[in-house]
Amino acid sequence: GENVEQHPSTLSVQEGDSAVIKCTYSDSASNYFPWYKQELGKRPQLIIDIRSNVGEKKDQRIAVTLNKTAKHFSLHITETQPEDSAVYFCAASETHDAGGTSYGKLTFGQGTILTVHP
Amino acid sequence: EAQVTQNPRYLITVTGKKLTVTCSQNMNHEYMSWYRQDPGLGLRQIYYSMNVEVTDKGDVPEGYKVSRKEKRNFPLILESPSPNQTSLYFCASSISRGGNSNQPQHFGDGTRLSIL
Repeated sequence: GENVEQHPSTLSVQEGDSAVIKCTYSDSASNYFPWYKQELGKRPQLIIDIRSNVGEKKDQRIAVTLNKTAKHFSLHITETQPEDSAVYFCAASETHDAGGTSYGKLTFGQGTILTVHP
Repeated sequence: EAQVTQNPRYLITVTGKKLTVTCSQNMNHEYMSWYRQDPGLGLRQIYYSMNVEVTDKGDVPEGYKVSRKEKRNFPLILESPSPNQTSLYFCASSISRGGNSNQPQHFGDGTRLSIL
Protein backbone atom coordinates (compact mmCIF):
# COMPACT_ATOMS: atom_id res chain seq x y z
CA GLY A 1 0.00 0.00 0.00
CA GLU A 2 0.83 3.67 -0.09
CA ASN A 3 3.31 5.14 2.40
CA VAL A 4 3.63 8.91 2.89
CA GLU A 5 6.57 10.46 4.74
CA GLN A 6 6.36 14.10 5.85
CA HIS A 7 9.16 16.40 6.99
CA PRO A 8 9.88 18.27 9.13
CA SER A 9 7.79 17.21 12.10
CA THR A 10 8.08 20.70 13.59
CA LEU A 11 8.85 24.01 11.91
CA SER A 12 9.32 27.36 13.56
CA VAL A 13 9.54 30.57 11.52
CA GLN A 14 9.34 34.32 12.06
CA GLU A 15 6.34 36.21 10.80
CA GLY A 16 6.89 37.20 7.19
CA ASP A 17 9.28 34.35 6.42
CA SER A 18 8.45 31.45 4.11
CA ALA A 19 7.70 27.92 5.27
CA VAL A 20 8.21 24.74 3.26
CA ILE A 21 6.90 21.29 4.16
CA LYS A 22 7.90 18.26 2.11
CA CYS A 23 6.28 14.89 1.54
CA THR A 24 7.31 11.78 -0.32
CA TYR A 25 5.05 8.96 -1.41
CA SER A 26 5.72 5.40 -2.45
CA ASP A 27 2.94 4.39 -4.84
CA SER A 28 3.45 5.68 -8.36
CA ALA A 29 -0.28 5.15 -9.00
CA SER A 30 -1.18 7.98 -6.61
CA ASN A 31 -2.65 10.86 -8.54
CA TYR A 32 -4.21 13.24 -6.02
CA PHE A 33 -2.32 15.14 -3.33
CA PRO A 34 -4.28 17.30 -0.88
CA TRP A 35 -2.94 19.37 2.01
CA TYR A 36 -4.92 19.84 5.20
CA LYS A 37 -4.54 22.40 7.97
CA GLN A 38 -5.64 21.49 11.47
CA GLU A 39 -5.84 24.17 14.12
CA LEU A 40 -5.72 23.15 17.76
CA GLY A 41 -8.87 21.29 18.71
CA LYS A 42 -10.39 21.64 15.26
CA ARG A 43 -11.07 19.40 12.29
CA PRO A 44 -8.63 19.07 9.38
CA GLN A 45 -9.56 21.46 6.59
CA LEU A 46 -8.45 21.28 2.99
CA ILE A 47 -6.26 24.24 2.04
CA ILE A 48 -5.00 23.23 -1.38
CA ASP A 49 -4.74 20.15 -3.55
CA ILE A 50 -2.97 19.12 -6.72
CA ARG A 51 -3.56 16.41 -9.24
CA SER A 52 -0.89 14.47 -11.06
CA ASN A 53 -1.47 16.17 -14.38
CA VAL A 54 0.00 19.48 -13.13
CA GLY A 55 3.32 20.38 -11.56
CA GLU A 56 2.38 23.44 -9.52
CA LYS A 57 -0.68 25.17 -8.14
CA LYS A 58 -0.95 28.48 -6.29
CA ASP A 59 -3.64 30.08 -4.18
CA GLN A 60 -2.62 33.46 -2.79
CA ARG A 61 0.17 32.80 -0.25
CA ILE A 62 0.02 29.04 -0.60
CA ALA A 63 1.54 26.93 -3.34
CA VAL A 64 2.06 23.24 -3.89
CA THR A 65 4.58 21.63 -6.21
CA LEU A 66 4.63 18.05 -7.41
CA ASN A 67 7.50 16.02 -8.83
CA LYS A 68 6.02 12.78 -10.08
CA THR A 69 9.34 11.33 -11.16
CA ALA A 70 10.85 11.73 -7.72
CA LYS A 71 7.50 11.03 -6.00
CA HIS A 72 7.56 14.06 -3.80
CA PHE A 73 5.40 17.12 -3.30
CA SER A 74 5.80 20.22 -1.19
CA LEU A 75 3.72 22.93 0.44
CA HIS A 76 5.04 26.49 0.31
CA ILE A 77 3.62 29.25 2.46
CA THR A 78 4.95 32.75 1.82
CA GLU A 79 4.69 35.82 4.05
CA THR A 80 3.68 33.69 7.00
CA GLN A 81 1.37 35.10 9.64
CA PRO A 82 0.70 33.97 13.23
CA GLU A 83 -2.68 32.60 12.15
CA ASP A 84 -0.85 30.15 9.89
CA SER A 85 0.29 28.35 13.06
CA ALA A 86 -1.30 24.89 12.96
CA VAL A 87 -0.59 21.26 12.13
CA TYR A 88 -0.33 20.60 8.41
CA PHE A 89 -0.92 17.20 6.86
CA CYS A 90 -0.11 16.05 3.39
CA ALA A 91 -1.88 13.08 1.83
CA ALA A 92 -1.72 10.96 -1.27
CA SER A 93 -4.46 9.07 -2.98
CA GLU A 94 -4.89 6.84 -5.95
CA THR A 95 -8.22 6.59 -7.62
CA HIS A 96 -10.20 3.39 -7.61
CA ASP A 97 -12.95 3.04 -10.17
CA ALA A 98 -15.72 0.50 -9.77
CA GLY A 99 -19.00 0.40 -11.58
CA GLY A 100 -18.79 4.01 -12.71
CA THR A 101 -18.03 5.25 -9.20
CA SER A 102 -14.69 6.80 -8.42
CA TYR A 103 -13.16 7.19 -4.98
CA GLY A 104 -9.76 7.64 -3.46
CA LYS A 105 -8.17 6.07 -0.40
CA LEU A 106 -6.26 8.84 1.34
CA THR A 107 -3.00 8.03 3.08
CA PHE A 108 -1.79 10.83 5.34
CA GLY A 109 1.67 11.95 6.36
CA GLN A 110 2.56 12.23 10.02
CA GLY A 111 1.95 15.97 10.21
CA THR A 112 4.07 19.12 10.68
CA ILE A 113 3.55 21.49 13.57
CA LEU A 114 4.12 24.97 12.16
CA THR A 115 4.67 27.82 14.59
CA VAL A 116 4.86 31.38 13.29
CA HIS A 117 6.35 33.80 15.81
CA PRO A 118 5.16 37.43 15.71
CA GLU B 1 -25.23 24.40 6.01
CA ALA B 2 -23.18 21.58 4.48
CA GLN B 3 -21.60 19.58 7.24
CA VAL B 4 -20.47 16.28 8.70
CA THR B 5 -21.84 15.74 12.21
CA GLN B 6 -20.32 13.35 14.73
CA ASN B 7 -21.71 12.35 18.11
CA PRO B 8 -20.65 12.25 20.82
CA ARG B 9 -17.82 14.78 20.76
CA TYR B 10 -16.29 13.34 23.93
CA LEU B 11 -16.70 9.99 25.64
CA ILE B 12 -14.99 8.34 28.59
CA THR B 13 -15.89 4.71 29.04
CA VAL B 14 -14.52 1.41 30.32
CA THR B 15 -12.95 -1.57 28.64
CA GLY B 16 -15.45 -3.97 27.08
CA LYS B 17 -18.49 -1.69 27.08
CA LYS B 18 -19.85 -1.50 23.54
CA LEU B 19 -20.11 1.96 22.07
CA THR B 20 -21.20 3.59 18.83
CA VAL B 21 -20.02 6.88 17.37
CA THR B 22 -22.49 8.27 14.88
CA CYS B 23 -21.63 10.19 11.73
CA SER B 24 -24.10 11.94 9.48
CA GLN B 25 -23.60 14.11 6.41
CA ASN B 26 -26.13 16.31 4.62
CA MET B 27 -24.29 16.73 1.31
CA ASN B 28 -25.57 13.57 -0.40
CA HIS B 29 -21.99 12.28 -0.58
CA GLU B 30 -21.43 8.72 -1.69
CA TYR B 31 -18.04 8.25 -0.04
CA MET B 32 -17.61 8.21 3.75
CA SER B 33 -14.65 7.25 5.88
CA TRP B 34 -13.47 6.93 9.46
CA TYR B 35 -9.98 7.93 10.66
CA ARG B 36 -8.21 7.86 13.96
CA GLN B 37 -5.63 10.47 14.84
CA ASP B 38 -2.78 9.69 17.20
CA PRO B 39 0.26 11.86 18.02
CA GLY B 40 3.10 11.34 15.57
CA LEU B 41 1.06 9.01 13.38
CA GLY B 42 -1.15 11.42 11.50
CA LEU B 43 -4.59 10.24 10.46
CA ARG B 44 -5.03 6.55 9.74
CA GLN B 45 -8.03 5.18 7.92
CA ILE B 46 -10.16 2.64 9.79
CA TYR B 47 -12.98 1.85 7.35
CA TYR B 48 -14.50 3.48 4.32
CA SER B 49 -17.66 3.18 2.29
CA MET B 50 -18.19 3.86 -1.38
CA ASN B 51 -21.95 3.87 -1.13
CA VAL B 52 -24.90 2.32 0.67
CA GLU B 53 -24.23 -1.28 1.75
CA VAL B 54 -20.63 -1.08 0.45
CA THR B 55 -17.88 -0.94 3.08
CA ASP B 56 -14.22 -1.89 3.12
CA LYS B 57 -11.30 -2.01 5.51
CA GLY B 58 -8.79 0.78 5.73
CA ASP B 59 -5.34 0.52 7.28
CA VAL B 60 -6.32 -0.10 10.93
CA PRO B 61 -9.69 -1.91 11.00
CA GLU B 62 -9.04 -4.29 13.91
CA GLY B 63 -11.50 -3.84 16.76
CA TYR B 64 -13.95 -1.73 14.76
CA LYS B 65 -17.11 -2.31 12.77
CA VAL B 66 -19.11 -0.02 10.51
CA SER B 67 -22.39 -0.09 8.64
CA ARG B 68 -23.87 1.95 5.81
CA LYS B 69 -27.59 1.29 5.69
CA GLU B 70 -28.41 4.83 4.58
CA LYS B 71 -26.43 7.19 2.42
CA ARG B 72 -26.18 9.93 5.03
CA ASN B 73 -25.11 7.80 8.03
CA PHE B 74 -21.92 5.86 8.71
CA PRO B 75 -21.67 4.78 12.37
CA LEU B 76 -18.46 3.44 13.89
CA ILE B 77 -18.96 0.59 16.34
CA LEU B 78 -16.54 -0.61 18.99
CA GLU B 79 -17.94 -3.94 20.15
CA SER B 80 -15.45 -4.43 22.98
CA PRO B 81 -13.35 -1.27 23.39
CA SER B 82 -9.83 -1.54 24.73
CA PRO B 83 -7.43 1.14 26.04
CA ASN B 84 -5.41 1.11 22.79
CA GLN B 85 -8.48 2.49 21.05
CA THR B 86 -8.21 5.70 23.05
CA SER B 87 -7.84 8.26 20.31
CA LEU B 88 -9.34 11.16 18.40
CA TYR B 89 -11.70 9.94 15.69
CA PHE B 90 -12.78 11.78 12.57
CA CYS B 91 -15.50 10.97 10.10
CA ALA B 92 -15.20 12.37 6.58
CA SER B 93 -17.23 12.36 3.40
CA SER B 94 -16.76 13.29 -0.22
CA ILE B 95 -18.65 13.27 -3.43
CA SER B 96 -17.81 10.39 -5.69
CA ARG B 97 -18.14 10.44 -9.41
CA GLY B 98 -16.88 8.43 -12.32
CA GLY B 99 -14.17 9.60 -14.62
CA ASN B 100 -11.12 8.91 -12.48
CA SER B 101 -11.65 11.90 -10.23
CA ASN B 102 -10.72 12.40 -6.58
CA GLN B 103 -12.72 14.91 -4.64
CA PRO B 104 -11.85 16.74 -1.40
CA GLN B 105 -12.94 15.15 1.82
CA HIS B 106 -14.97 17.09 4.38
CA PHE B 107 -14.28 16.24 8.00
CA GLY B 108 -16.49 16.24 11.06
CA ASP B 109 -15.45 17.97 14.28
CA GLY B 110 -14.00 14.82 15.81
CA THR B 111 -14.81 12.51 18.71
CA ARG B 112 -12.34 12.11 21.54
CA LEU B 113 -12.65 8.64 23.03
CA SER B 114 -10.99 7.58 26.28
CA ILE B 115 -11.15 3.89 27.14
CA LEU B 116 -10.17 3.16 30.74
